[in-house]
Amino acid sequence: KAGVTQTPRYLIKTRGQQVTLSCSPISGHRSVSWYQQTPGQGLQFLFEYFSETQRNKGNFPGRFSGRQFSNSRSEMNVSTLELGDSALYLCASTTGGGNTEAFFGQGTRLTVV
Amino acid sequence: QKEVEQNSGPLSVPEGAIASLNCTYSDRGSQSFFWYRQYSGKSPELIMSIYSNGDKEDGRFTAQLNKASQYVSLLIRDSQPSDSATYLCAVFHTGGFKTIFGAGTRLFVKA
Repeated sequence: KAGVTQTPRYLIKTRGQQVTLSCSPISGHRSVSWYQQTPGQGLQFLFEYFSETQRNKGNFPGRFSGRQFSNSRSEMNVSTLELGDSALYLCASTTGGGNTEAFFGQGTRLTVV
Repeated sequence: QKEVEQNSGPLSVPEGAIASLNCTYSDRGSQSFFWYRQYSGKSPELIMSIYSNGDKEDGRFTAQLNKASQYVSLLIRDSQPSDSATYLCAVFHTGGFKTIFGAGTRLFVKA
């Protein structure tokens, strides 16, 4: 059974650009959550999607957005990149039902220069 | 007050000793609790989940939950150098559809 797949693994972008990250959850999992991890702030919750609907959103500016497709794959987009957006972006999938155990992908390391 | 609090450490224990990691949470209505292990440069890996008061054992790991005290702990028996990692406590908010993570405790097991 394949795990959670995130692409790309590494990205280098320039300030002001935008970026799109992708996450394919474990087969059968319908919930995808996104997190930003930085050394100073730890794992910060960005948003959660279930059946193409955003059910919750963390305390991030509107430059951070996401969506989920009918096959449960999810994308997150960051527009007008800032230096402070440099981080490891992780997605986690769960069944979305009563089982809340989350499994993480390998992450996308974003560097903004 | 942070929603999930952990001592950042580092916690250093000799090989073969018991490592004790602690976590407190603020939302009294939380129902699901997890411990993740994260090696440097890797993503978090789920090692234990616990849902009811008491102890849950899995191999060398024991998770303990006390909802009245809003306290979760992880014991690692017979610690090995390969256990050296950051351990993240996580709490699922039933009403909010989100899992909140503590900042993590760095554990070093000395050979």
